[in-house]
Amino acid sequence: DAGVIQSPRHEVTEMGQEVTLRCKPISGHDYLFWYRQTMMRGLELLIYFNNNVPIDDSGMPEDRFSAKMPNASFSTLKIQPSEPRDSAVYFCASSPPLTGVYGYTFGSGTRLTVV
Amino acid sequence: AQKITQTQPGMFVQEKEAVTLDCTYDTSDPSYGLFWYKQPSSGEMIFLIYQGSYDQQNATEGRYSLNFQKARKSANLVISASQLGDSAMYFCAMREGQNDMRFGAGTRLTVKP
Repeated sequence: DAGVIQSPRHEVTEMGQEVTLRCKPISGHDYLFWYRQTMMRGLELLIYFNNNVPIDDSGMPEDRFSAKMPNASFSTLKIQPSEPRDSAVYFCASSPPLTGVYGYTFGSGTRLTVV
Repeated sequence: AQKITQTQPGMFVQEKEAVTLDCTYDTSDPSYGLFWYKQPSSGEMIFLIYQGSYDQQNATEGRYSLNFQKARKSANLVISASQLGDSAMYFCAMREGQNDMRFGAGTRLTVKP
């Protein structure tokens, strides 16, 4: 298996532009998570899905952020309009059912810079 | 409230020596899992080791072991025979019941030659 695949690896955009981050989870994993990592706030959970359904989006910072999972093999995180404070590394992770010894498998992350 | 606490922002260890990275947690759920992840400078998050709340024995994975002290709510990571490649950020995380995973602030480990 290729693991969790995120694209793009790096994104530089101007303030006010729309940004879309993409994630392909591991086949058969029922759960998908979006995290944001910054120096100031560490790793923050933004939202997670179970069987393509959003379960908890309480970590989404504000209405400018939205996430979708139209099918079991694809998810997007969209920021519109983007702001400099959104600059961070965004990780996608997937997991089998949340029991037992399963840790999350993380993608390589997308480093977003908003100028 | 912070549920995962890593009190060591940075640690240094001499190559080939053992090092312990501290992690304490707070939960009232009897069923939970504790995890450690490694994040090297390249940025990826690498799963290292898992400990379940009902596990009787401490988890081990190669040079990694987890010193699980349930009554004290601590889950320290022990790395034996440190290598230069162990230099990285290390994150402790907890998952309560069926919920999602929450991470500590991390500890930056530097292995000195």
